[in-house]
Amino acid sequence: DAGVIQSPRHEVTEMGQEVTLRCKPISGHNSLFWYRQTMMRGLELLIYFNNNVPIDDSGMPEDRFSAKMPNASFSTLKIQPSEPRDSAVYFCASSPLGWGYGTRGSEQFFGPGTRLTVL
Amino acid sequence: DAKTTQPPSMDCAEGRAANLPCNHSTISGNEYVYWYRQIHSQGPQYIIHGLKNNETNEMASLIITEDRKSSTLILPHATLRDTAVYYCIVRVGSYIPTFGRGTSLIVHP
Repeated sequence: DAGVIQSPRHEVTEMGQEVTLRCKPISGHNSLFWYRQTMMRGLELLIYFNNNVPIDDSGMPEDRFSAKMPNASFSTLKIQPSEPRDSAVYFCASSPLGWGYGTRGSEQFFGPGTRLTVL
Repeated sequence: DAKTTQPPSMDCAEGRAANLPCNHSTISGNEYVYWYRQIHSQGPQYIIHGLKNNETNEMASLIITEDRKSSTLILPHATLRDTAVYYCIVRVGSYIPTFGRGTSLIVHP
C-alpha cells in the first residue's frame, strides 16, 4: 500500500497565481481530510469529505480556497489567487471510516504534505 | 480551541518508558481519546485511541482514568526515533478534530 499520495511535494509561486494541490487517498477509504499547518496556528482542519461529499468546510479560510473530490481516488485543494499568508504545509489525510466514528477504522492516515511558499 | 491540555515539552532517556499526560476534563461520555505523533517534516501518524478502557498496541499503551478526565500515553521503551510532537485529541463537536499544540518529546541517548 503506497499510503496517501500528495503532489507536488514543494510548490513555490508568486502572489496572485493559482495553486492546485493534489491528493490520492488510500484505496477503500471513505473519508478525506485537508489540513494546513503553520508555526503560528498549528495544524488546522480545512475541509472534510465523506464518500466524496463535503461534510464540513467551516475551516476553509475564505473564498479563495476551494476543494473538490470528483471521485473516491482523487481530491484537489485550489487557492486562487494565492497570497503570502497562504504559505504553509498542506496535509491530506484519509480514513476508512468518517471522523464521527470512534471505532477501529476511524484513524486518519496522513500524506507527506505539500510545502507551499507564496512569494 | 483545543479541548485538551498537554505539557509543551518533555524529555526521556533512551530505553526508558515515556509517559505523556493529557488532560481532557470536559470530555463527554461518547467522545474518544486519540493520540497521534508528528516526526519533524512528516505528516502526523496515528498511534492509538480509546473510549474508557485501557488500550495497547504494538506502538504504545493508553491509560484512561476512571473519570475519563485525563489519560496517559506510554511508550514502554523509548528510542531516538520516538522524538516527535505528540498530540492528544478528543472528538470535538460533530466532525472537527482539533490537534492543539501537543507535547514535544525529546528522547536523548
